[in-house]
Amino acid sequence: SAVISQKPSRDICQRGTSLTIQCQVDSQVTMMFWYRQQPGQSLTLIATANQGSEATYESGFVIDKFPISRPNLTFSTLTVSNMSPEDSSIYLCSVAPTGYSYEQYFGPGTRLTVT
Amino acid sequence: QQQVKQSPQSLIVQKGGIPIINCAYENTAFDYFPWYQQFPGKGPALLIAIRPDVSEKKEGRFTISFNKSAKQFSLHIMDSQPGDSATYFCAASTIGSGGYNKLIFGAGTRLAVHP
Repeated sequence: SAVISQKPSRDICQRGTSLTIQCQVDSQVTMMFWYRQQPGQSLTLIATANQGSEATYESGFVIDKFPISRPNLTFSTLTVSNMSPEDSSIYLCSVAPTGYSYEQYFGPGTRLTVT
Repeated sequence: QQQVKQSPQSLIVQKGGIPIINCAYENTAFDYFPWYQQFPGKGPALLIAIRPDVSEKKEGRFTISFNKSAKQFSLHIMDSQPGDSATYFCAASTIGSGGYNKLIFGAGTRLAVHP
């Protein structure tokens, strides 16, 4: 298993600004993922952020809007750039410590509101 | 088709009842089918998972039934308790465009177990 913490837990930001979300894991893991979840909705994968390689973005998500850093095996950041109200959502990071993507451990999420 | 269709959207049962949540898929390349449980304000947590060559798997009060020919699988919760009230997501594991494994999530089912 893995214990994941995220910072901040929530934030209210103004349109046009950027927010960086931090994800810290209590053990070294290769596979890490970033998701977006609208309240009451399903999870949408933004990107896979495996250490040692560039993040792989899903269709509809681009690096300029959601740059990701993965400096080591226990930490990652996701930046939401040039925010608009449509970016208001819950952002979650997860890890797959066993190497199997079906077995993921999620952080508590960051609730972002853009005004 | 990279989709997992989940039903019903919401479900209400009495304590002790057996809620059943159903999912269907098209992509035969999916290789694992997990179920996640999410409580309000928390990240999803892995509940149970099954491979497509297994027809049933039980873990405690939770059972997955898998019908490979019909491309359907379902979650049964035996002797449901008010503490089981949560949102349940089915998912499927596959290889993404970047060559990495990833999860495709269903839309979610909000379960309420009344005392």
